[in-house]
Amino acid sequence: GAVVSQHPSWVICKSGTSVKIECRSLDFQATTMFWYRQFPKQSLMLMATSNEGSKATYEQGVEKDKFLINHASLTLSTLTVTSAHPEDSSFYICSARDFLGLKRPQHFGDGTRLSIL
Amino acid sequence: EDQVTQSPEALRLQEGESSSLNCSYTVSGLRGLFWYRQDPGKGPEFLFTLYSAGEEKEKERLKATLTKKESFLHITAPKPEDSATYLCAVGVGGSSNTGKLIFGQGTTLQVKP
Repeated sequence: GAVVSQHPSWVICKSGTSVKIECRSLDFQATTMFWYRQFPKQSLMLMATSNEGSKATYEQGVEKDKFLINHASLTLSTLTVTSAHPEDSSFYICSARDFLGLKRPQHFGDGTRLSIL
Repeated sequence: EDQVTQSPEALRLQEGESSSLNCSYTVSGLRGLFWYRQDPGKGPEFLFTLYSAGEEKEKERLKATLTKKESFLHITAPKPEDSATYLCAVGVGGSSNTGKLIFGQGTTLQVKP
């Protein structure tokens, strides 16, 4: 079946550091990728939607200058958390789907646990 | 405003004790209702998609149903390995190609042997 790979699975870094998370679709062309954030015992909150070759669309309240998203190819999207602070610590999950959109399931990576000291 | 509400928040069952999880939704235009399973520290794993009221899907001990206002995930004779958080999501947006998923809070299921 479809597979989405996310890397790294966890990262610990100092406050002020920028962190890049990669999301790859391994066996299909991901025309659209999504980035979610999940706090403990809470559901997934959509941060942004990116279409290949276009600028990302951010959800209300998400700082686009803080969370930089690049979707330069049909198999790779990256999320960069710039100048990360402890409040940015969370579980970040990417998701991808092909050109058929909601007519087919959206597949998720296994998430990245980000801890900012 | 589009909303998805799942109940109960948590459910404890004995092995073999069947039950149902509920997902209620209010959306302006439903473009599919999706059920996912999420294990701790992992991303959601796709289970089912339902598009029309009256539609049903089954997979092993799980059966999902859909009405115009809610969806149920029925678990028959659960086993400990069914323990997980079950997430319901509705597809919303301008079209099937541009829509997005809105997730409920999830139901955490624990099945004891």
